[in-house]
Amino acid sequence: GDSVTQMEGPVTLSEEAFLTINCTYTATGYPSLFWYVQYPGEGLQLLLKATKADDKGSNKGFEATYRKETTSFHLEKGSVQVSDSAVYFCALSDNTGGFKTIFGAGTRLFVKA
Amino acid sequence: DTEVTQTPKHLVMGMTNKKSLKCEQHMGHRAMYWYKQKAKKPPELMFVYSYEKLSINESVPSRFSPECPNSSLLNLHLHALQPEDSALYLCASSKRLAGAGETQYFGPGTRLLVL
Repeated sequence: GDSVTQMEGPVTLSEEAFLTINCTYTATGYPSLFWYVQYPGEGLQLLLKATKADDKGSNKGFEATYRKETTSFHLEKGSVQVSDSAVYFCALSDNTGGFKTIFGAGTRLFVKA
Repeated sequence: DTEVTQTPKHLVMGMTNKKSLKCEQHMGHRAMYWYKQKAKKPPELMFVYSYEKLSINESVPSRFSPECPNSSLLNLHLHALQPEDSALYLCASSKRLAGAGETQYFGPGTRLLVL
């Protein structure tokens, strides 16, 4: 079945450092790919998404490119802020997967001032 | 209005109690979801409603009973829960069923503690 694998955390960075969180997937169909973020004490919110190969999703300085050849959707940000401290979930949804969203395990990010 | 609201924010209940969680959205979405999230884990899908009909039940124990009275409301009725059911319960909605790039909008969750 479909699955999402993302790098284990926690990831600890200093403010203004470069961020990469790796995400790879397996899917039988042509999935859409998402990054959701969960701030402490809150629900999840969509950070960015891409619906087809080579699409780049971007929002709030975060970017991720849908790479079909490497089945990856890595999240990047050039300069992180303390306010980016949160848990980041990579996810996919696939029409052949019973209309479910499959989440990765989540990567916790701590940004130090 | 791009908000999903959930009440209550926190709930403590005994194993013999009956309680309900409530979720509401006014975005005109026709798919609504219940997820359970344990600490440091991703959300686990429990139920999916599409056009007020139950589409997916992920083999959830019968002590959890969902209800969708109308297109804006989703309830989760709880009865005879176990301590291991303590978790954050998240509601979400999307325009249509998840797939083909549908974004899910999540509520803040109800943090449930079963004693």
